[in-house]
Amino acid sequence: AAGVIQSPRHLIKEKRETATLKCYPIPRHDTVYWYQQGPGQDPQFLISFYEKMQSDKGSIPDRFSAQQFSDYHSELNMSSLELGDSALYFCASSLGPSGEETQYFGPGTRLLVL
Amino acid sequence: QKEVEQNSGPLSVPEGAIASLNCTYSDRGSQSFFWYRQYSGKSPELIMFIYSNGDKEDGRFTAQLNKASQYVSLLIRDSQPSDSATYLCAVTGGGADGLTFGKGTHLIIQP
Repeated sequence: AAGVIQSPRHLIKEKRETATLKCYPIPRHDTVYWYQQGPGQDPQFLISFYEKMQSDKGSIPDRFSAQQFSDYHSELNMSSLELGDSALYFCASSLGPSGEETQYFGPGTRLLVL
Repeated sequence: QKEVEQNSGPLSVPEGAIASLNCTYSDRGSQSFFWYRQYSGKSPELIMFIYSNGDKEDGRFTAQLNKASQYVSLLIRDSQPSDSATYLCAVTGGGADGLTFGKGTHLIIQP
């Protein structure tokens, strides 16, 4: 079965640079979620989108923004990167509020900020 | 502030025995409850979800939910070495809300 696709899988950036992470949800899924997982930490919810509209907001820094496009893929834009932004970034997708809400996770993007 | 509490372990269980993982949550408005398994450096993998009070069984796994006690558990029968991983309890208010995770229980199945 098709799964959530994330790109790139690995990314190395310098401090103060910008990064864009992409997420392609499971076909027919209309809701995407972004999570950040630091070393030894549990995943922290950042933001979610349903039908291209922001749905829920978690601990997303102001330096980060995200959007969902008409084909339901989503992009997380990260600016003024800091050392503490080094983490695994997961995208998850689901059928959304009117369907099965179970979130399925992609393989993640490992971001290293030097 | 929504909180999900889990014993971080490690929880060591002999192969073939039953592993019991527990989780409590603070938000009484939570609607949906999930157990994910995560291997080091990998993404969370869904094991079970449960929405209603009681037990739900799927193969070797049984999830139990008690909303009055704000308690969720996961039983793994006939534990295998491949079950060794971190098990994350997660809750959500439903809809397109984000998941609130516990810090995970590190499970070790001893051959």
